[in-house]
Amino acid sequence: DAGVTQSPTHLIKTRGQQVTLRCSPKSGHDTVSWYQQALGQGPQFIFQYYEEEERQRGNFPDRFSGHQFPNYSSELNVNALLLGDSALYLCASSQRTEARKQPQHFGDGTRLSIL
Amino acid sequence: GNSVTQMEGPVTLSEEAFLTINCTYTATGYPSLFWYVQYPGEGLQLLLKATKADDKGSNKGFEATYRKETTSFHLEKGSVQVSDSAVYFCALTYSGSARQLTFGSGTQLTVLP
Repeated sequence: DAGVTQSPTHLIKTRGQQVTLRCSPKSGHDTVSWYQQALGQGPQFIFQYYEEEERQRGNFPDRFSGHQFPNYSSELNVNALLLGDSALYLCASSQRTEARKQPQHFGDGTRLSIL
Repeated sequence: GNSVTQMEGPVTLSEEAFLTINCTYTATGYPSLFWYVQYPGEGLQLLLKATKADDKGSNKGFEATYRKETTSFHLEKGSVQVSDSAVYFCALTYSGSARQLTFGSGTQLTVLP
Protein backbone atom coordinates (compact mmCIF):
# COMPACT_ATOMS: atom_id res chain seq x y z
CA ASP A 1 0.00 0.00 0.00
CA ALA A 2 1.77 3.10 -1.24
CA GLY A 3 1.78 6.09 1.02
CA VAL A 4 1.71 9.70 -0.12
CA THR A 5 4.03 10.23 -3.08
CA GLN A 6 5.35 13.56 -4.29
CA SER A 7 7.28 14.57 -7.38
CA PRO A 8 9.81 15.80 -8.10
CA THR A 9 11.97 15.40 -5.01
CA HIS A 10 14.14 18.39 -5.83
CA LEU A 11 13.66 21.38 -8.09
CA ILE A 12 15.74 24.45 -8.89
CA LYS A 13 14.11 27.52 -10.43
CA THR A 14 14.96 31.18 -10.92
CA ARG A 15 13.03 34.22 -9.76
CA GLY A 16 9.95 34.99 -11.83
CA GLN A 17 9.51 31.47 -13.12
CA GLN A 18 6.53 29.21 -12.50
CA VAL A 19 6.55 25.75 -10.93
CA THR A 20 4.16 22.79 -10.60
CA LEU A 21 4.49 20.21 -7.85
CA ARG A 22 2.57 16.94 -7.81
CA CYS A 23 1.08 14.71 -5.14
CA SER A 24 -0.63 11.32 -5.11
CA PRO A 25 -2.52 10.64 -1.89
CA LYS A 26 -2.44 7.46 0.13
CA SER A 27 -4.81 4.80 -1.15
CA GLY A 28 -8.31 5.37 0.23
CA HIS A 29 -7.75 9.05 0.99
CA ASP A 30 -9.82 11.75 -0.69
CA THR A 31 -8.48 14.98 0.80
CA VAL A 32 -5.16 16.61 0.01
CA SER A 33 -3.50 19.44 1.92
CA TRP A 34 -0.35 21.36 1.01
CA TYR A 35 2.14 22.85 3.45
CA GLN A 36 5.23 25.03 3.06
CA GLN A 37 8.14 24.35 5.41
CA ALA A 38 10.88 26.97 5.38
CA LEU A 39 14.30 25.92 6.68
CA GLY A 40 14.26 25.57 10.47
CA GLN A 41 10.53 26.24 10.74
CA GLY A 42 7.35 24.25 11.21
CA PRO A 43 5.10 23.59 8.21
CA GLN A 44 2.62 26.32 7.28
CA PHE A 45 -0.77 25.40 5.79
CA ILE A 46 -1.26 26.59 2.21
CA PHE A 47 -4.62 25.08 1.20
CA GLN A 48 -6.72 21.94 1.14
CA TYR A 49 -8.61 20.22 -1.69
CA TYR A 50 -11.59 17.92 -1.46
CA GLU A 51 -13.96 16.89 -4.25
CA GLU A 52 -11.78 18.87 -6.69
CA GLU A 53 -12.43 22.15 -4.91
CA GLU A 54 -10.30 24.33 -2.64
CA ARG A 55 -11.96 24.04 0.76
CA GLN A 56 -9.73 26.11 2.97
CA ARG A 57 -6.79 28.40 2.46
CA GLY A 58 -4.03 29.63 4.71
CA ASN A 59 -2.33 33.00 4.59
CA PHE A 60 -0.68 32.66 1.18
CA PRO A 61 -0.96 34.98 -1.83
CA ASP A 62 -2.84 34.19 -5.02
CA ARG A 63 0.46 33.24 -6.67
CA PHE A 64 -0.12 29.90 -4.98
CA SER A 65 -2.85 27.89 -6.64
CA GLY A 66 -3.82 24.27 -6.84
CA HIS A 67 -5.90 21.63 -8.45
CA GLN A 68 -7.31 18.24 -7.54
CA PHE A 69 -8.10 15.61 -10.14
CA PRO A 70 -10.90 12.99 -10.14
CA ASN A 71 -8.42 10.35 -8.95
CA TYR A 72 -7.74 12.59 -5.88
CA SER A 73 -4.19 13.47 -6.92
CA SER A 74 -3.26 17.12 -6.67
CA GLU A 75 -0.97 19.80 -8.05
CA LEU A 76 0.45 22.91 -6.42
CA ASN A 77 1.32 25.77 -8.76
CA VAL A 78 3.40 28.76 -7.80
CA ASN A 79 3.72 31.71 -10.19
CA ALA A 80 6.22 34.57 -10.25
CA LEU A 81 8.63 32.78 -7.93
CA LEU A 82 10.41 34.79 -5.24
CA LEU A 83 13.56 33.92 -3.33
CA GLY A 84 11.37 33.53 -0.24
CA ASP A 85 9.48 30.67 -1.88
CA SER A 86 12.51 28.43 -1.34
CA ALA A 87 11.24 25.72 1.01
CA LEU A 88 10.22 22.11 1.41
CA TYR A 89 6.67 21.66 0.11
CA LEU A 90 4.78 18.89 1.83
CA CYS A 91 1.63 17.16 0.71
CA ALA A 92 -0.63 15.45 3.24
CA SER A 93 -3.63 13.26 2.61
CA SER A 94 -6.53 12.11 4.75
CA GLN A 95 -10.01 10.66 4.53
CA ARG A 96 -12.52 13.41 5.17
CA THR A 97 -15.13 11.29 6.88
CA GLU A 98 -12.63 10.14 9.50
CA ALA A 99 -12.15 13.72 10.71
CA ARG A 100 -10.74 13.69 14.24
CA LYS A 101 -9.95 9.99 14.40
CA GLN A 102 -7.35 9.58 11.70
CA PRO A 103 -4.29 11.75 11.21
CA GLN A 104 -2.99 13.21 8.02
CA HIS A 105 -0.27 11.23 6.24
CA PHE A 106 2.63 13.18 4.80
CA GLY A 107 4.81 12.64 1.77
CA ASP A 108 8.57 13.20 1.81
CA GLY A 109 8.16 16.58 0.16
CA THR A 110 9.59 18.50 -2.77
CA ARG A 111 12.62 20.68 -2.02
CA LEU A 112 12.26 23.86 -4.09
CA SER A 113 15.26 26.15 -4.42
CA ILE A 114 14.95 29.58 -6.04
CA LEU A 115 18.11 31.19 -7.42
CA GLY B 1 -6.10 32.41 16.26
CA ASN B 2 -4.73 28.99 17.02
CA SER B 3 -1.05 28.62 17.83
CA VAL B 4 1.44 26.11 19.19
CA THR B 5 4.53 27.02 21.19
CA GLN B 6 7.35 24.53 21.54
CA MET B 7 10.40 24.40 23.71
CA GLU B 8 13.28 25.88 21.76
CA GLY B 9 16.11 23.65 20.73
CA PRO B 10 18.41 22.23 19.92
CA VAL B 11 18.33 19.58 22.63
CA THR B 12 21.35 17.31 23.07
CA LEU B 13 21.15 14.25 25.33
CA SER B 14 23.23 11.18 26.05
CA GLU B 15 21.82 7.78 25.21
CA GLU B 16 19.41 6.45 27.88
CA ALA B 17 18.71 9.93 29.25
CA PHE B 18 15.16 11.13 30.00
CA LEU B 19 13.55 13.39 27.40
CA THR B 20 10.96 16.11 27.83
CA ILE B 21 9.96 18.49 25.03
CA ASN B 22 7.45 21.10 26.16
CA CYS B 23 4.46 22.08 24.04
CA THR B 24 1.67 24.50 24.89
CA TYR B 25 -1.18 25.62 22.70
CA THR B 26 -3.69 28.42 22.29
CA ALA B 27 -7.00 27.45 20.76
CA THR B 28 -10.72 27.85 21.14
CA GLY B 29 -12.78 24.76 21.69
CA TYR B 30 -11.35 21.28 21.85
CA PRO B 31 -8.58 20.58 19.36
CA SER B 32 -6.91 17.26 18.68
CA LEU B 33 -3.19 17.27 19.50
CA PHE B 34 -0.34 15.52 17.73
CA TRP B 35 3.39 14.95 17.82
CA TYR B 36 5.07 14.47 14.45
CA VAL B 37 8.72 13.48 13.88
CA GLN B 38 10.88 14.42 10.91
CA TYR B 39 14.08 12.52 10.15
CA PRO B 40 16.71 14.17 7.91
CA GLY B 41 15.60 14.41 4.30
CA GLU B 42 12.17 13.00 5.00
CA GLY B 43 8.59 14.16 5.48
CA LEU B 44 6.64 14.11 8.70
CA GLN B 45 5.64 10.91 10.46
CA LEU B 46 2.92 10.80 13.06
CA LEU B 47 4.41 9.80 16.42
CA LEU B 48 1.34 9.96 18.66
CA LYS B 49 -1.99 11.72 19.12
CA ALA B 50 -4.69 12.58 21.64
CA THR B 51 -8.18 13.73 20.76
CA LYS B 52 -9.66 14.80 24.10
CA ALA B 53 -8.64 16.08 27.51
CA ASP B 54 -6.72 13.63 29.74
CA ASP B 55 -6.05 11.27 26.82
CA LYS B 56 -2.53 9.86 26.77
CA GLY B 57 -0.97 9.17 23.40
CA SER B 58 1.91 6.71 23.26
CA ASN B 59 4.13 5.09 20.65
CA LYS B 60 7.67 3.65 20.52
CA GLY B 61 8.28 4.55 24.17
CA PHE B 62 7.16 8.17 23.71
CA GLU B 63 4.20 9.53 25.67
CA ALA B 64 2.21 12.76 25.87
CA THR B 65 -0.89 13.65 27.90
CA TYR B 66 -3.51 16.17 26.75
CA ARG B 67 -3.81 18.64 29.66
CA LYS B 68 -6.66 21.05 29.04
CA GLU B 69 -6.18 22.91 32.33
CA THR B 70 -2.61 23.87 31.40
CA THR B 71 -3.18 23.76 27.59
CA SER B 72 -0.14 21.52 27.29
CA PHE B 73 0.92 18.35 25.48
CA HIS B 74 4.50 17.69 26.58
CA LEU B 75 6.42 14.86 24.92
CA GLU B 76 8.36 12.45 27.15
CA LYS B 77 10.52 9.38 26.78
CA GLY B 78 12.18 7.54 29.61
CA SER B 79 15.32 6.40 27.79
CA VAL B 80 16.30 7.91 24.45
CA GLN B 81 18.33 6.15 21.77
CA VAL B 82 20.66 7.49 19.09
CA SER B 83 17.99 6.56 16.54
CA ASP B 84 15.59 9.07 18.17
CA SER B 85 17.68 11.95 16.80
CA ALA B 86 15.27 13.98 14.67
CA VAL B 87 13.12 17.11 14.68
CA TYR B 88 9.91 16.88 16.70
CA PHE B 89 6.82 18.97 15.93
CA CYS B 90 3.81 19.54 18.12
CA ALA B 91 0.59 20.28 16.20
CA LEU B 92 -3.13 20.78 16.64
CA THR B 93 -6.20 20.52 14.47
CA TYR B 94 -9.97 20.81 14.60
CA SER B 95 -12.43 18.64 12.76
CA GLY B 96 -14.37 21.80 11.97
CA SER B 97 -11.42 23.51 10.31
CA ALA B 98 -11.10 21.00 7.48
CA ARG B 99 -8.42 19.48 9.71
CA GLN B 100 -5.84 22.12 8.92
CA LEU B 101 -2.79 21.38 11.06
CA THR B 102 -1.16 24.20 12.99
CA PHE B 103 2.44 23.35 13.87
CA GLY B 104 4.96 24.56 16.38
CA SER B 105 8.40 25.58 15.16
CA GLY B 106 9.97 22.21 15.93
CA THR B 107 12.62 20.98 18.37
CA GLN B 108 15.83 19.43 17.10
CA LEU B 109 16.91 16.46 19.25
CA THR B 110 20.38 14.97 19.03
CA VAL B 111 21.18 11.85 21.06
CA LEU B 112 24.87 11.05 21.56
CA PRO B 113 26.17 7.49 22.12
